[in-house]
Amino acid sequence: GAVVSQHPSWVICKSGTSVKIECRSLDFQATTMFWYRQFPKQSLMLMATSNEGSKATYEQGVEKDKFLINHASLTLSTLTVTSAHPEDSSFYICSATRGTNEKLFFGSGTQLSVL
Amino acid sequence: AQRVTQPEKLLSVFKGAPVELKCNYSYSGSPELFWYVQYSRQRLQLLLRHISRESIKGFTADLNKGETSFHLKKPFAQEEDSAMYYCALSGGRGSTLGRLYFGRGTQLTVWP
Repeated sequence: GAVVSQHPSWVICKSGTSVKIECRSLDFQATTMFWYRQFPKQSLMLMATSNEGSKATYEQGVEKDKFLINHASLTLSTLTVTSAHPEDSSFYICSATRGTNEKLFFGSGTQLSVL
Repeated sequence: AQRVTQPEKLLSVFKGAPVELKCNYSYSGSPELFWYVQYSRQRLQLLLRHISRESIKGFTADLNKGETSFHLKKPFAQEEDSAMYYCALSGGRGSTLGRLYFGRGTQLTVWP
């Protein structure tokens, strides 16, 4: 089946720094990628939808200047958490699909801890 | 606004017993409903999609629009079914499938 690789799997950073998380589709072209965050013992919350070559669409309440999403190619989307603060500590998950009505494949997630 | 409710955070059954994981939703249009499963230390993967009406690993789920429910059922649970199960909703036809709204998940434990 299709594979989505997410890197890094965990990262620890100091407050005020920026962190970049990569999401790659390894064996298919992902027209659309999605970013979720998950707090401990809570559900996955959709943050944004990313289409290759265009600006990401953010869900209500998600700060686009805080969570920069770039989808420069059909196999790579990046999420940059800018000026991270402890409240940004969370589990971030990406997913990718070949097309609008296609199956969704998930990355393994990135645990971000901001000190 | 869309909402997915999974009332049980934890569910335990013995091997061979029937299991039902509850999911209720609210959505103004015609949604698509899914069940995703996450086994220990593995990534999230699709278990069922309501429009396909298929049975995967013995699990079935029927969309009940009257009760706005999409409960997941299996007549005889196996130990390997122990996992976290998420019910999810997408906006349906014309809406990108990946724009999913998840319930908080139910941790199923099947005892030997």
